[in-house]
Amino acid sequence: KNQVEQSPQSLIILEGKNCTLQCNYTVSPFSNLRWYKQDTGRGPVSLTIMTFSENTKSNGRYTATLDADTKQSSLHITASQLSDSASYICVVSAHAAGNKLTFGGGTRVLVKP
Amino acid sequence: GAGVSQSPSNKVTEKGKDVELRCDPISGHTALYWYRQRLGQGLEFLIYFQGNSAPDKSGLPSDRFSAERTGESVSTLTIQRTQQEDSAVYLCASSLAGTGDRGYTFGSGTRLTVV
Repeated sequence: KNQVEQSPQSLIILEGKNCTLQCNYTVSPFSNLRWYKQDTGRGPVSLTIMTFSENTKSNGRYTATLDADTKQSSLHITASQLSDSASYICVVSAHAAGNKLTFGGGTRVLVKP
Repeated sequence: GAGVSQSPSNKVTEKGKDVELRCDPISGHTALYWYRQRLGQGLEFLIYFQGNSAPDKSGLPSDRFSAERTGESVSTLTIQRTQQEDSAVYLCASSLAGTGDRGYTFGSGTRLTVV
C-alpha cells in the first residue's frame, strides 16, 4: 500500500531559527515528490518538486532533499519567519494508478517571535 | 482564470440536505482532482478527471457522493443526504496533464459544515 509518513506532526520554533521536516514514503513506482505549504484556510501551494535523479532543490529559504534509495525526503527551512507558520505537506506521485497523489499527514509549523 | 476557483468558500447545511460544490480549473488544464480534508487530517483523494476519459471514482466514500465535469471545464461535486461526518474542506486541483510530472494547482477549498 502506498503510504507517506511525516514527522514531526507539529513543531514550534523561534523566529530566525532553522528547522527540518521529514518525509518517508513507500510509494512505488516512484515518479516525483512534492512539498507543499498550506496556510490556514487556503489550498496547498507547491514549494518544490523532485524527480528520482534529483537530490536537492531549493526555493528561497526552503531546501528539499531526496534520497530515493532510502525513500526519504526532508524540507529544511532556514532563518524562519512568522509567515512560515503553516502546514507542510509531503506528496508523492506514482507512475501508475492514474497518478493519484499520496499525501502525508503534514507537519504543522508555528513560528513564534 | 489565473488560478483554480472554488465556490462557495463556505457552506453550512442541515443534515440530510444535498449540497453542490463547484470547481473552475485553470484554463487548458485537462486533469482535475477532488480531495477532502477533515479537520486535523491529511488530504483524502476522492475523484480524478482526465480529459474525456472515464473518471477515476475509486476515492468516493459512498454512493451519496458524485461528481461531474463537462469536457475540460467546470466540475461539480455533489453530496446527497449530507451527514455530519461529511464536514470537511473539499479541495479541487488541476494540472496540465495526468502524467504526474506537471505542477498541480489547488483551489482554496470549500469548507462544508453539516449541522
